[in-house]
Amino acid sequence: KNQVEQSPQSLIILEGKNCTLQCNYTVSPFSNLRWYKQDTGRGPVSLTIMTFSENTKSNGRYTATLDADTKQSSLHITASQLSDSASYICVVKRHSGAGSYQLTFGKGTKLSVIP
Amino acid sequence: GAGVSQSPSNKVTEKGKDVELRCDPISGHTALYWYRQSLGQGLEFLIYFQGNSAPDKSGLPSDRFSAERTGGSVSTLTIQRTQQEDSAVYLCASSLVWQGQETQYFGPGTRLLVL
Repeated sequence: KNQVEQSPQSLIILEGKNCTLQCNYTVSPFSNLRWYKQDTGRGPVSLTIMTFSENTKSNGRYTATLDADTKQSSLHITASQLSDSASYICVVKRHSGAGSYQLTFGKGTKLSVIP
Repeated sequence: GAGVSQSPSNKVTEKGKDVELRCDPISGHTALYWYRQSLGQGLEFLIYFQGNSAPDKSGLPSDRFSAERTGGSVSTLTIQRTQQEDSAVYLCASSLVWQGQETQYFGPGTRLLVL
């Protein structure tokens, strides 16, 4: 069954600290994995996208890693800011033939950055 | 069963004209999303419908963009006074939440070219 599991479910950290969010998946065949940031009441905004051959990718203070062998990804946030408070969603894409595909969303990690 | 269908599959229009893009979601899916994907870019969230709730329009890039979902099923994305930068693939997805896990099913998209 195609699943995406994220941990922790929620996280509270002090401003300026680093944190790492985890994503494990069983989606197959794997196409790519994307991390989204979603502010409350807003649509998701893509942070990074990683394909099978990529191990790490950075976007400012966000660094994503991917281990396609163990089917694990992480999102590391450096020097957190109050504006980082949001839900972080891991999304895995699989092709389902004839040009169509599916995205399986994790339930997200709710991050709260406090002063 | 039938997946998400979109029409037209391709649309070429002149700058300044209005266009309507149609999405037929999977029957029974309560959530419907519109995304845009420009050449070489990731998915850009546009608008999200969930049941009878007010749609999340936070991703619409300008007031030239609007969308409706009639009867909780078919959706139409309208772009008024099209500009060349509107050229992209417009993707529609409907989703099903099962045991807390959301899976989005994407249609093949409408490729829009504004001349």
